[in-house]
Amino acid sequence: GAGVSQSPSNKVTEKGKDVELRCDPISGHTALYWYRQSLGQGLEFLIYFQGNSAPDKSGLPSDRFSAERTGGSVSTLTIQRTQQEDSAVYLCASSLWSQGLSSGANVLTFGAGSRLTVL
Amino acid sequence: KNQVEQSPQSLIILEGKNCTLQCNYTVSPFSNLRWYKQDTGRGPVSLTIMTFSENTKSNGRYTATLDADTKQSSLHITASQLSDSASYICVVSGEGNNRLAFGKGNQVVVIP
Repeated sequence: GAGVSQSPSNKVTEKGKDVELRCDPISGHTALYWYRQSLGQGLEFLIYFQGNSAPDKSGLPSDRFSAERTGGSVSTLTIQRTQQEDSAVYLCASSLWSQGLSSGANVLTFGAGSRLTVL
Repeated sequence: KNQVEQSPQSLIILEGKNCTLQCNYTVSPFSNLRWYKQDTGRGPVSLTIMTFSENTKSNGRYTATLDADTKQSSLHITASQLSDSASYICVVSGEGNNRLAFGKGNQVVVIP
């Protein structure tokens, strides 16, 4: 696609429910990143994928969080047994893989985010 | 302690005026610094990326500067427009590190 697509754009759920957030990266982008943005805070790294594998998932806040990527394209972020502190905007970004983010040529393109509200 | 600090947290400026946003970082060793613009309800959009050897980079009315010795960067907005109202996020990458350190952003509001 022309840009990074995320769905749903807004999700309101009850505490304890599971949610799935979807990210469709730019076609051909091999690297995919998930971030969380809470009100008044900077973006918090969650996990990144190179192809279908996740070399770094150390940013996931707890074992209630998981993510997968299939076919080197679409990724889903799953939050089980949601808690109120999970409320945030979840942003997905993709990039062409060159030398990693330490390369100034590696430009991240972000989606519009999925706003999650846990009641 | 956050590795990227931005100031001012927020500011209001009149349309047509200039403003400068500041970013101080502690990330070391340094690789590159990025400025993003995030409109309300949207994802961040890249404005500039600067590496160690670059001191200034412009993108239209946006000019970013970098002093890698003092670990400071600024983003200057010239002749502000209403559409410049957004959060401006400073992002720093460390050498050999695939993580980005994000500032909390400078919230800019341009009023007519």
